Amino acid sequence: DTGVSQDPRHKITKRGQNVTFRCDPISEHNRLYWYRQTLGQGPEFLTYFQNEAQLEKSRLLSDRFSAERPKGSFSTLEIQRTEQGDSAMYLCASSPTQGAGGYTFGSGTRLTVV
Amino acid sequence: GENVEQHPSTLSVQEGDSAVIKCTYSDSASNYFPWYKQELGKGPQLIIDIRSNVGEKKDQRIAVTLNKTAKHFSLHITETQPEDSAVYFCAASTSYNNNDMRFGAGTRLTVKP
Repeated sequence: DTGVSQDPRHKITKRGQNVTFRCDPISEHNRLYWYRQTLGQGPEFLTYFQNEAQLEKSRLLSDRFSAERPKGSFSTLEIQRTEQGDSAMYLCASSPTQGAGGYTFGSGTRLTVV
Repeated sequence: GENVEQHPSTLSVQEGDSAVIKCTYSDSASNYFPWYKQELGKGPQLIIDIRSNVGEKKDQRIAVTLNKTAKHFSLHITETQPEDSAVYFCAASTSYNNNDMRFGAGTRLTVKP
């Protein structure tokens, strides 16, 4: 296992289009998190999964955002009707339920809405 | 909810000097404090963490100190090298694997050769 993988690395889309990002966590990690990072800021929490269950969603996650983790493995984050304000780095992280280690982040997907 | 403040936002040091980054947090229930290093085009990478049952932790050239009474913690990097140049983020959470991890705004460290 090489860590948390995110795809694509970069996405440029026109305003109003839908986009979907994928995250593959470390295989033995049950918990998966999505964060958003804008330029010059720290990561902001969006949502969190324990296995396939989505247990918390931030107020930042508007109705245009939806996240899934159908089999408790990979996760997808979809943004519908993108807006310029959605331009950001979308980071995925995973962590184990037990044991040490904290969050392991992927390299992120940089979204640019034009 | 938790609010984490980090300063300075930028820090420039000469190679070989020490660098110190400070963070404060608001939620007294927080007891896990990690530090992440983010290089250009990459995600944050955990470099050191501390739990509230200890006041200081050291790993080679990096150390973290925690003052729970004052609700602040600091990252210390000694003998800085150019490859230490990156953005550093502090964070606070009630546990290493909880969904309440909140991050500071980051410190851009530049180490001049």
